[in-house]
Amino acid sequence: AQKVTQAQTEISVVEKEDVTLDCVYETRDTTYYLFWYKQPPSGELVFLIRRNSFDEQNEISGRYSWNFQKSTSSFNFTITASQVVDSAVYFCALSDTGGFKTIFGAGTRLFVKA
Amino acid sequence: DADVTQTPRNRITKTGKRIMLECSQTKGHDRMYWYRQDPGLGLRLIYYSFDVKDINKGEISDGYSVSRQAQAKFSLSLESAIPNQTALYFCATSDHRGTIGELFFGEGSRLTVL
Repeated sequence: AQKVTQAQTEISVVEKEDVTLDCVYETRDTTYYLFWYKQPPSGELVFLIRRNSFDEQNEISGRYSWNFQKSTSSFNFTITASQVVDSAVYFCALSDTGGFKTIFGAGTRLFVKA
Repeated sequence: DADVTQTPRNRITKTGKRIMLECSQTKGHDRMYWYRQDPGLGLRLIYYSFDVKDINKGEISDGYSVSRQAQAKFSLSLESAIPNQTALYFCATSDHRGTIGELFFGEGSRLTVL
């Protein structure tokens, strides 16, 4: 069975601090996809990134970076120089081969204080 | 206008009542999903559908039913609502021809069962 664990329920940082959100997954599929979504206080869900299981290259997009390590089944998300607008709930998700079914972790609520 | 529209956005009802949440999309996607979000539990998959003739149970389908009336419409029903079905419900779509597994969400329907 597939499972996504986000052990950090809430994180609070001060603006400009770096913060890493952890994600650990379980799957028996050899091909799968990992995602991060953001849910700001307004409630909508926003897609941030997708990574397939064959691509372990880390990715950087502005202040956001993602570290995918198959050996530890982890897909961690780092925000550099956090800003108040980064305050949100962040969900890690796992999709099976073909993207038929996506399951989500419980989410990590990030508070960034000015 | 939103590409994925959910109605109603908010609903308060009483135990035992039948409730329908509707979802329509203008994205032309073939796949549609219903998730519920509860604090501390993330998003859990209720039902998903890959086309009009295809309906699949998700992680937590008990107490729910769905109907895919057309490619663009996917409704979720609670035949006899109970208080522990109080939650935020999201409809989502994806396109098997696009970025595999990427979900596009509606704005959510907040349901309260008294």
